[in-house]
Formats: sequence, C-alpha cells, structure tokens
Amino acid sequence: GAVVSQHPSRVICKSGTSVKIECRSLDFQATTMFWYRQFPKQSLMLMATSNEGSKATYEQGVEKDKFLINHASLTLSTLTVTSAHPEDSSFYICSGGGTANYGYTFGSGTRLTVV
Amino acid sequence: DQQVKQNSPSLSVQEGRISILNCDYTNSMFDYFLWYKKYPAEGPTFLISISSIKDKNEDGRFTVFLNKSAKHLSLHIVPSQPGDSAVYFCAARGGAGGGNKLTFGTGTQLKVEL
Repeated sequence: GAVVSQHPSRVICKSGTSVKIECRSLDFQATTMFWYRQFPKQSLMLMATSNEGSKATYEQGVEKDKFLINHASLTLSTLTVTSAHPEDSSFYICSGGGTANYGYTFGSGTRLTVV
Repeated sequence: DQQVKQNSPSLSVQEGRISILNCDYTNSMFDYFLWYKKYPAEGPTFLISISSIKDKNEDGRFTVFLNKSAKHLSLHIVPSQPGDSAVYFCAARGGAGGGNKLTFGTGTQLKVEL
C-alpha cells in the first residue's frame, strides 16, 4: 500500500523562526497531498491541499503567507510555518495516496512546539 | 459548522464485549465514510470504509453501518480487545470542492477494560 514518510516527528522552535515539515511518498507518485492540523483533544482540520507543480489550495481561514506549501516533485510536499508563534503549536499531519475503499494514508505527524 | 460529529467523547467497554461508536453528518454530498484509529502523537490508521450507496461493510471484527436517511453511521467492534483502546475518528469524503479531502469528526476515546 501507499507509504507516507513525514519528518521531523517533533520540533521545538523559538518564536519568530520558521519551521519546515517534509512529507514524502515512498512508493507512489503523489500529484496531491493534504495537510491537516490537530489541536489537543480536537479533530483533524484540513489546512490545505498541495498540488504538484502548481499552487496549493488553502481552506478558509488558513493564512497562505504563514503556512507555505511547496509541492515541487511527485514525491515531496513541504509545509513551512513562517514566523512561528506559540499559538501555532500543534500536531501537523500530511496525507497522500490510497483510496476510499482501502483508506487514505497519513504520515506519522509532526508535533510543533513554539516557545 | 461541524459537518461530521461524534457526540460521545469517550466510551468504556469490557474486553470481549461489543464496542459501538457513532457518527452523524450533515452534508448529503459526502460519498464515502471512513473510520480511523489514532494514538497520541501518531498519524491516523485506516480501519474500514463504506460507500454512501451501501448500508453495511464488514472486515473481520469491524463492521460499519450506514443509515443514509438519518445521516448516521456506526462502527461496531466485536469482540473488543484491550489493543483497541485508542481514539476513533469518523471521516467523510467529498462535500464542497470534492476530491479526496476528508472532513473529520471530533473523535471518540475508546477504552477497553480487562
């Protein structure tokens, strides 16, 4: 089945700095990847859809300039949290590959803590 | 606007008994419903799904029932095992914009006790 590798698994950064999270498709070509965010004890919320070779599609309320998404190849999508603030601390998860019948595949997630 | 809801934040069941997790939705455009299991600080793991044109799908210990008229689905786990203890998310595919993006419910923490 589809395998998605996400790195880093956890990162701590200082306020004002930027953090890049990588999501790689290991055994399939991903023309589309999805980025979700989960606050403690809450649901997973879709932030944006990254499209290989074109601009990402952001969900309503998600700041494009703050959450930069790049999908330059069929195996790599990245999410960069720019000028991070403590309120950006969250669990970020990417998803790509799979089907509705056999399930869409998720990465292992990245715990971001901004201090 | 929470289009997918799981009204029970937690559920406790004895080992060997049946676990029933419920999910309600509001958007009739959803075409697939999926159940995921999740541990803290990990990505969700797929369990089972159902197409909106079916009313039941079964895979081993897991069965999902869909009542389209009531916009309600449920996941049955039988027999429940301690290893089933986790947070379970119901997710729906489709809706505005379409594609493979999922709308998740708020999750139900299942605890299977010995």
